[in-house]
Amino acid sequence: AQKVTQAQTEISVVEKEDVTLDCVYETRDTTYYLFWYKQPPSGELVFLIRRNSFDEQNEISGRYSWNFQKSTSSFNFTITASQVVDSAVYFCALRSGDTGRRALTFGSGTRLQVQP
Amino acid sequence: EPEVTQTPSHQVTQMGQEVILRCVPISNHLYFYWYRQILGQKVEFLVSFYNNEISEKSEIFDDQFSVERPDGSNFTLKIRSTKLEDSAMYFCASSLGGGSTDTQYFGPGTRLTVL
Repeated sequence: AQKVTQAQTEISVVEKEDVTLDCVYETRDTTYYLFWYKQPPSGELVFLIRRNSFDEQNEISGRYSWNFQKSTSSFNFTITASQVVDSAVYFCALRSGDTGRRALTFGSGTRLQVQP
Repeated sequence: EPEVTQTPSHQVTQMGQEVILRCVPISNHLYFYWYRQILGQKVEFLVSFYNNEISEKSEIFDDQFSVERPDGSNFTLKIRSTKLEDSAMYFCASSLGGGSTDTQYFGPGTRLTVL
């Protein structure tokens, strides 16, 4: 069975601070995909990034960066110089590499509050 | 930019009533999904649909749920006899398919309240 753990329930930072959201996953699949989604107060789920298990290259996109480490089964997400608009719930999700199993398994989410 | 749309945004119903939640996936996508999120909890997979049939479903997706693609654009979730515990946000998603590049894009959700 697959499992995603986001141990941080809620994080509060002051604007311009850096913040890292942790994600640890469990899977028996050799090929799998990891995702981060953002859920702002308006409620929709916004796709942020996808990572394939065979590609451990870390990625930076503007103020966002992701650190994928297979050895520790972690896929952490860092926001640099946080802004109030970053306030949201962030979900990490896992999908099997089996094309017949496309269901996303979500973590319980981390609520990020960025104070002005 | 293409997006998934859902109607209605909010549905209130009485326990035991049937509800149909509607979704229009992104037009060239081949896979369609329903997820639900009980207030304050994680997002849970319900069902996936491909080539006019269910390809995967969770334990939550029991006989009271059904999905349908009635025409070339809509994708629906029907709950036959709603229960109080069905109150949740229901998200529709779609994806293009393929392997390593497959990403699910979500609609804005329908908040279902069962009284």
